[in-house]
Amino acid sequence: ELKVEQNPLFLSMQEGKNYTIYCNYSTTSDRLYWYRQDPGKSLESLFVLLSNGAVKQEGRLMASLDTKARLSTLHITAAVHDLSATYFCAVDIVGNYKLTFGKGTLLTVNP
Amino acid sequence: DGGITQSPKYLFRKEGQNVTLSCEQNLNHDAMYWYRQDPGQGLRLIYYSQIVNDFQKGDIAEGYSVSREKKESFPLTVTSAQKNPTAFYLCASSVGTEAFFGQGTRLTVV
Repeated sequence: ELKVEQNPLFLSMQEGKNYTIYCNYSTTSDRLYWYRQDPGKSLESLFVLLSNGAVKQEGRLMASLDTKARLSTLHITAAVHDLSATYFCAVDIVGNYKLTFGKGTLLTVNP
Repeated sequence: DGGITQSPKYLFRKEGQNVTLSCEQNLNHDAMYWYRQDPGQGLRLIYYSQIVNDFQKGDIAEGYSVSREKKESFPLTVTSAQKNPTAFYLCASSVGTEAFFGQGTRLTVV
């Protein structure tokens, strides 16, 4: 059974600081997704990581994937209040068409 | 505009009642999914369908049923057998390496 673990589950940080969210998964997979969810809203796709060593950046967010360690990171640089949301990672086994999600990291960026 | 439409946005169910959540997509995607979200639990897969007239159970299918008679539509019925249906339900479709989510239906038992 595929398990996906995120940590931390809760993250409170000050504006301007850097931090990293970690996503570990238990089974070999080549596809790792990061999503953002605002309260009461749907999921917004942030990144799709498809191969070992993949790194993608969008604004203050950068995601990376290490398939050998079964680890993905979402790094936040110089946080701003607008980044406050819940961030999910999800893993898909190729050909399975099922996403298994972590429990999410609730990020709060304080002024 | 292309996308996934879920309706209704809010739904209230009485004890012992079946209710159906609608999910329609005009993205021409073959694969569609239903997820349930509870606070602190992330999303869990209820059912998925890779092609018309075919669907498979996900991790928490008990108390739910689906149909896939048309490519565009994947309705979810929450039956009276689902003992704790209060949750946020998200429908998704996928192509290649991307999944697209609807805006969700919040179901509450009254």
